[in-house]
Amino acid sequence: RKEVEQDPGPFNVPEGATVAFNCTYSNSASQSFFWYRQDCRKEPKLLMSVYSSGNEDGRFTAQLNRASQYISLLIRDSKLSDSATYLCVVNRNNFNKFYFGSGTKLNVKP
Amino acid sequence: SAVISQKPSRDICQRGTSLTIQCQVDSQVTMMFWYRQQPGQSLTLIATANQGSEATYESGFVIDKFPISRPNLTFSTLTVSNMSPEDSSIYLCSVETSGLYEQYFGPGTRLTVT
Repeated sequence: RKEVEQDPGPFNVPEGATVAFNCTYSNSASQSFFWYRQDCRKEPKLLMSVYSSGNEDGRFTAQLNRASQYISLLIRDSKLSDSATYLCVVNRNNFNKFYFGSGTKLNVKP
Repeated sequence: SAVISQKPSRDICQRGTSLTIQCQVDSQVTMMFWYRQQPGQSLTLIATANQGSEATYESGFVIDKFPISRPNLTFSTLTVSNMSPEDSSIYLCSVETSGLYEQYFGPGTRLTVT
């Protein structure tokens, strides 16, 4: 079983829509959780860290569910510029234990 | 965060040759990492570049194939040795600056081996 699993998508949504992605992780020892955004042919960029209490940054909300071992990302009022691949990353608070999901592709259409 | 540059940005190399990729950071950082991202796939950690000591390699990656240098806190190199077409990939360096396991990535080096 993979350490981190994501639905590869693509999610095709119209501008203004709300879209949510989930990511499941297999190891309960995971301690730190992140969402990264990767544009085509570019490097991943940190979007949000995911805290136990959940956190919000503008149109983006991240949640952690330790009992069910998943994290989620909610994007409200989607923009064309949100089109990208969203990578889920978990870490066991050990610098050589980063696990990347394969990414969820989002296409926001006019 | 940090500003990270990589050289070269891309290269096309013949099999059997070696390529050294440079990663430069604009500030001193303790943790530097090298990743590989093969086409259509996610990132795989190759090694952690340790300043003043040998790099720590992940399972499936060995020093003879991917020698790494880290002469100071702002610079590292990754060499891809005796290349084969299977080494065609994007190679990315990253740094961690906050102590919170948040990584920042360089722009990547796109390597094609013919």
